[in-house]
Amino acid sequence: GENVEQHPSTLSVQEGDSAVIKCTYSDSASNYFPWYKQELGKGPQLIIDIRSNVGEKKDQRIAVTLNKTAKHFSLHITETQPEDSAVYFCAASITPRGGGGADGLTFGKGTHLIIQP
Amino acid sequence: NAGVTQTPKFQVLKTGQSMTLQCAQDMNHEYMSWYRQDPGMGLRLIHYSVGAGITDQGEVPNGYNVSRSTTEDFPLRLLSAAPSQTSVYFCASSYSPKVGVTGELFFGEGSRLTVL
Repeated sequence: GENVEQHPSTLSVQEGDSAVIKCTYSDSASNYFPWYKQELGKGPQLIIDIRSNVGEKKDQRIAVTLNKTAKHFSLHITETQPEDSAVYFCAASITPRGGGGADGLTFGKGTHLIIQP
Repeated sequence: NAGVTQTPKFQVLKTGQSMTLQCAQDMNHEYMSWYRQDPGMGLRLIHYSVGAGITDQGEVPNGYNVSRSTTEDFPLRLLSAAPSQTSVYFCASSYSPKVGVTGELFFGEGSRLTVL
């Protein structure tokens, strides 16, 4: 099955700097790559996603890039703010097979992003 | 619109006890699932359901049962609790996977379970 590796496990950056979180996946058939943000005491929430027919996607201060050849994708957060402090999860999936099923989303182990004031 | 509601938020059990974690969603989502989250392990799928009357196993199903009698509810049952089941449990739902497109997962706020 799919295996998703996520690095780093902890990332500390100064407020205003950029943060980059990287993930690699093993199954070349994966074609959907979402990123979830989990704030303390809350459930994860989708912040951005990308499909394999697109190389980059931006939404204000966050962007995701995808390199299908190398089988890796990254989350970029610019001008970091205190509210960006959270745990971020990447995931990979093969569609069409449905969302989150045993043959659906495989999550990375998470990155704890700390924004230093 | 409440989204995905999980109860209880916290529970302490003794080894061997059984209990049910409740999950309800009001978004008319056909797809529902249960994950457990452990430190350094990320989110691991326990069981999932693609619609009422249909359930299937995920990555770590042992020790857990599920049923899906209605679209709204997807309870997770621990049959005989063990310390290894100490974890934070998340229920999630999404739009119908039958159309073949992986959609956004909406998560509940979690249930923290401690087994002594």
